[in-house]
Amino acid sequence: DGGITQSPKYLFRKEGQNVTLSCEQNLNHDAMYWYRQDPGQGLRLIYYSQIVNDFQKGDIAEGYSVSREKKESFPLTVTSAQKNPTAFYLCASSSTTGKSPLHFGNGTRLTVT
Amino acid sequence: KQEVTQIPAALSVPEGENLVLNCSFTDSAIYNLQWFRQDPGKGLTSLLLIQSSQREQTSGRLNASLDKSSGRSTLYIAASQPGDSATYLCAVRPTGSARQLTFGSGTQLTVLP
Repeated sequence: DGGITQSPKYLFRKEGQNVTLSCEQNLNHDAMYWYRQDPGQGLRLIYYSQIVNDFQKGDIAEGYSVSREKKESFPLTVTSAQKNPTAFYLCASSSTTGKSPLHFGNGTRLTVT
Repeated sequence: KQEVTQIPAALSVPEGENLVLNCSFTDSAIYNLQWFRQDPGKGLTSLLLIQSSQREQTSGRLNASLDKSSGRSTLYIAASQPGDSATYLCAVRPTGSARQLTFGSGTQLTVLP
């Protein structure tokens, strides 16, 4: 079955530590996205990539970093510079034409204490 | 800047009722609009995608309509079931090169048995 796998499902870290969230897709999609979801708010775009070795900042990129070394993988690092990192993080992918639906993984809930 | 609003934020209905969820957007220059379902603690599942040239899309008991001129979309759910209980989000993709989606905050639907 084609899909997007995010791991781990739950992640706990101490303040000041960097943490990396994994996202892998086997849908052969060129475009991949990272969103953050907070209670009562819509999804906010952190970073996106439309091709390997290229990515762009979204609306809330400060304190985050990404890489896109392979088409299938788009890991997100939450750095110690992110002021409020506790949130639900969602990875998504789509074709670059934008004509097809956006597909999501099941998310990673990050708690920083 | 595109803004997407979903009202009400929460809705509770008895099983078997037909219902309509609303989505409004401020900029009518959209490429397409997508409706998603999100179960608690899970990622988003795509329900329906309406291209800007279309007026509606149907899938089973779901029907989504689009009126670009008024900046509105509705998701109609026929004969609601307790299994339909979830949060429903809409997202619009703009025209132009930067086709990143803007999400509404969602409507939390509860279908009572």
